[in-house]
Amino acid sequence: EVQLVQSGGGLVQPGGSLRLPCAASGFSFSTYSMNWVRQAPGKGLEWVSYISSSSSTIYYADSVKGRFTISRDNAKNSLYLQMNSLRAEDTAVYYCARVRSGIAGELDSWGQGTLVTVSS
Amino acid sequence: QSVLTQPPSVSGAPGQRVTISCTGSRSNIGAGYDVHWYQQLPGTAPKLLIYDDTDRPSGVPDRFSGSKSGTSASLAITGLQAEDEADYYCQSYDSSLRSVFGGGTKLTVL
Repeated sequence: EVQLVQSGGGLVQPGGSLRLPCAASGFSFSTYSMNWVRQAPGKGLEWVSYISSSSSTIYYADSVKGRFTISRDNAKNSLYLQMNSLRAEDTAVYYCARVRSGIAGELDSWGQGTLVTVSS
Repeated sequence: QSVLTQPPSVSGAPGQRVTISCTGSRSNIGAGYDVHWYQQLPGTAPKLLIYDDTDRPSGVPDRFSGSKSGTSASLAITGLQAEDEADYYCQSYDSSLRSVFGGGTKLTVL
């Protein structure tokens, strides 16, 4: 069974940092691209970042570019999102999601989400 | 302001048919990129409902169907059931090197 298990959320002050891990199991993690998607309270889904299977291709939404860093460790079957210089508007539930195929492919498996609250 | 435009809400009685539209532009849907649809029940992660414009993952009832034409796509739900009450999102890819989502549509089963 494909599983994406998230942890690492919490309350952080504006300007602070947080690292979100996403542990994958039940599939060959190293052969799939991955995305981070977030959802602010009461709002819709917002794509955050994309990383290819080998980490050779990485994209970011303009809203997080220069502040967030996506990475992966295929030996540990893990995906990460390093979030720096956090702002109130980054408050959201963050989801990791598997891309079935290609950069424009559908997100066929999702983590359970982790809440990040940026507030003083 | 989402790149893909969806109606904020739709509603229908049990057994009826509803459609949810997703309007993009020549840089995303109109450029030929596939459209995918997700269902999000309250308090849960989104679930893939339709991929590659018209295909259903295994386990998704055939009451759900997708279509695409030009710069728009649609999700149709027939034989509406109470358990279909959820938020629905379309997603595609944009030539600006990013995935894009619609703003989401809340389906109410009357």
